[in-house]
Amino acid sequence: EPEVTQTPSHQVTQMGQEVILRCVPISNHLYFYWYRQILGQKVEFLVSFYNNEISEKSEIFDDQFSVERPDGSNFTLKIRSTKLEDSAMYFCASVRDSNEYGYTFGSGTRLTVV
Amino acid sequence: AQSVTQLDSQVPVFEEAPVELRCNYSSSVSVYLFWYVQYPNQGLQLLLKYLSGSTLVKGINGFEAEFNKSQTSFHLRKPSVHISDTAEYFCAVTLNSGGYQKVTFGTGTKLQVIP
Repeated sequence: EPEVTQTPSHQVTQMGQEVILRCVPISNHLYFYWYRQILGQKVEFLVSFYNNEISEKSEIFDDQFSVERPDGSNFTLKIRSTKLEDSAMYFCASVRDSNEYGYTFGSGTRLTVV
Repeated sequence: AQSVTQLDSQVPVFEEAPVELRCNYSSSVSVYLFWYVQYPNQGLQLLLKYLSGSTLVKGINGFEAEFNKSQTSFHLRKPSVHISDTAEYFCAVTLNSGGYQKVTFGTGTKLQVIP
């Protein structure tokens, strides 16, 4: 069964450093998403991406965050200057089209900011 | 805006006993509903979804859920749980509005199956 692949599985970074979280969505999917889950809290929407542009973003997704699909297969989330409160599990998801409901999620990247 | 409430943060249950995980939603428009499962140290896996049609939806691993519009609920049930069902379960909702879908998740319910 096709999978959404995320790398790395765990990243530790110092506060103020830039991080890039990588995702490879399923190849024929068109809609891409980032969600995050702070430890012990619920899964929160960050951003959706379609046709090479952001469709919607949440209040969490401020100027420190950016997304990119640089080469037609990878989908990246960049945090420019990490804060302690950015520590969370970040999930990438994709879906084939707007008529297919139910994302395929990646296994997540656990980001720890120290 | 839509929202989801999972009142039970943890549900302990003995192996082979039945279980019900509760989910209530709030929305002023028609919605689609989902249950996802997260096993320890893993990602989110779709268990089942309700889009339209029969209100009783069957999913993977023997789980089922019933959409009740009048009670705005979408409770998840399994008649006999196994140790391997120990995981966190998330109810989720998205608007039935076409286009892309932003999903709103509940806070999750940890199911602990006791041998």
